[in-house]
Amino acid sequence: GAVVSQHPSWVICKSGTSVKIECRSLDFQATTMFWYRQFPKQSLMLMATSNEGSKATYEQGVEKDKFLINHASLTLSTLTVTSAHPEDSSFYICSAGGAEAFFGQGTRLTVV
Amino acid sequence: GIQVEQSPPDLILQEGANSTLRCNFSDSVNNLQWFHQNPWGQLINLFYIPSGTKQNGRLSATTVATERYSLLYISSSQTTDSGVYFCAVSQAGTALIFGKGTTLSVSS
Repeated sequence: GAVVSQHPSWVICKSGTSVKIECRSLDFQATTMFWYRQFPKQSLMLMATSNEGSKATYEQGVEKDKFLINHASLTLSTLTVTSAHPEDSSFYICSAGGAEAFFGQGTRLTVV
Repeated sequence: GIQVEQSPPDLILQEGANSTLRCNFSDSVNNLQWFHQNPWGQLINLFYIPSGTKQNGRLSATTVATERYSLLYISSSQTTDSGVYFCAVSQAGTALIFGKGTTLSVSS
């Protein structure tokens, strides 16, 4: 199957700072990638659709100014959590693929 | 939007037992996938199965698209099968929508 790589796997940051998470498709080109968030003991919730060369599409209730998405190339999408607060602590995971979706390893963000 | 319901929410088995996990969805879909989420959070692709039946070792899956459900069978369960199993569906060109998952605990 296709390989999607996400970095970093985990990050701890101070409240008020920004954190960037990278999602790369290693062996295929992805014009579209998806970002999800998962809180403990819950399911994965779609945050946004990342489109290469154009603006991301955000799900209802997701603050686009807080979660900045950049999809500057066919193999890389980035999610930047700006001015992070403890309530942003969560597991963030990206996906890409064609008919079948593949997921990165996920990033566990802790804001202290 | 599409609703995805998984049952049961929790399942406790003894090693060697068989189990069936169910996924119901509310609209026609182009994609249906089953995942196993390991303790580190990584999603392992089990099956891409918008219709029909597939088998991979002790795991098999069946999707009846016309009746909007899919089943995941686990035979001769092992402790390493423990974790959360997710069903996710999508329509053409859209993101996967996940069910709430089934948490499986297999004890020796």
